[in-house]
Amino acid sequence: KNEVEQSPQNLTAQEGEFITINCSYSVGISALHWLQQHPGGGIVSLFMLSSGKKKHGRLIATINIQEKHSSLHITASHPRDSAVYICAVFKRGGMEYGNKLVFGAGTILRVKS
Amino acid sequence: SAVISQKPSRDICQRGTSLTIQCQVDSQVTMMFWYRQQPGQSLTLIATANQGSEATYESGFVIDKFPISRPNLTFSTLTVSNMSPEDSSIYLCSVGTGGSYGYTFGSGTRLTVV
Repeated sequence: KNEVEQSPQNLTAQEGEFITINCSYSVGISALHWLQQHPGGGIVSLFMLSSGKKKHGRLIATINIQEKHSSLHITASHPRDSAVYICAVFKRGGMEYGNKLVFGAGTILRVKS
Repeated sequence: SAVISQKPSRDICQRGTSLTIQCQVDSQVTMMFWYRQQPGQSLTLIATANQGSEATYESGFVIDKFPISRPNLTFSTLTVSNMSPEDSSIYLCSVGTGGSYGYTFGSGTRLTVV
């Protein structure tokens, strides 16, 4: 079983819809990352969080440490949000920015106009 | 947060040849990380590059196949040596930046080996 599981694997939405992507993990972590990867391959870091909730524009990320679960929400989705969204965790006890970053398989999001 | 310039963005290479990928960071960073993303897969850490010392490779990756240089605190290269079609992947560099985002990634190098 993977240490980081994402759902759904694929998601198609209509423009304007509210989108939720889920991430569950089975290890102790010091922080969780949400990343966005566009078709060209480049990756943008959206959020790093260790508790509570963060908001940036139309994006909201939440984490529940007790339940080992995080969600990424996109409000008023737009075709430009189409990308792969990746959850990654810093395993507790590893180097803060080192080789203890574990990635989920990613969620492929397509937003249709 | 830091800005990374990664080159080349893509390349098509003949098997048996080598390709060197460069990452330039706009600020000094202690550690740089190199990742591979095979088609349809998530990211896998190849190695951690520290300035002034040998890179630390993850299980399954060896220096002869993926030599790394880290001549200063803003620059690193990854070479993919003696390439085969199985090396066709996206290669990304990354640095830890602290603050709200934690990591900055390069724009990726999409490598196709024919």
